Amino acid sequence: AQSVAQPEDQVNVAEGNPLTVKCTYSVSGNPYLFWYVQYPNRGLQFLLKYITGDNLVKGSYGFEAEFNKSQTSFHLKKPSALVSDSALYFCAVKSPRGNNNDMRFGAGTRLTVKP
Amino acid sequence: ETGVTQSPTHLIKTRGQQVTLRCSSQSGHNTVSWYQQALGQGPQFIFQYYREEENGRGNFPPRFSGLQFPNYSSELNVNALELDDSALYLCASTPTGRRADTQYFGPGTRLTVL
Repeated sequence: AQSVAQPEDQVNVAEGNPLTVKCTYSVSGNPYLFWYVQYPNRGLQFLLKYITGDNLVKGSYGFEAEFNKSQTSFHLKKPSALVSDSALYFCAVKSPRGNNNDMRFGAGTRLTVKP
Repeated sequence: ETGVTQSPTHLIKTRGQQVTLRCSSQSGHNTVSWYQQALGQGPQFIFQYYREEENGRGNFPPRFSGLQFPNYSSELNVNALELDDSALYLCASTPTGRRADTQYFGPGTRLTVL
């Protein structure tokens, strides 16, 4: 079965600095990988996904993620953090096989961007 | 906004009661998935409905059941509520049943079981 690990519960960065939120995965075959963001008392908002093709994926709000098959990682990055980026970030994986849309989420990483 | 709505926003029930949560998918989306997000955790897959039939289930007991209707709405029913059922319940719709599709989430229903 597929699984995701987000090794950091909390990431703190200063506004204007680059940010990285880490994610590693385990799945049979080529994975489908997703990043979502959750603001307080809100549902999950889609940021970006990797299905196939270019390993560098660009998404919403200036975020990007790099798929690294050898390291089974899909880290989320942004060149210059904003205070408004402070939120809870979830990495998720789907196996390309099977008969349903079971998406496995990590436990989440809380990003705090300080002015 | 994703175009996915859920009702109610908040709900308080007592142990042993039954609850129905509702979701309205984006127009044209024929697949809906339900997730349970306990406090401090990532969402966990409950089940998925595709064209009004259950199309996959996570590790949840049969007292969690669902329905999907032709008008893109769906329900999550939970019987015999337990304290551990307290969580944020999220529904997500996708345009088709393809695994590569993005899931678009609603704002969730916060269920508290006392």
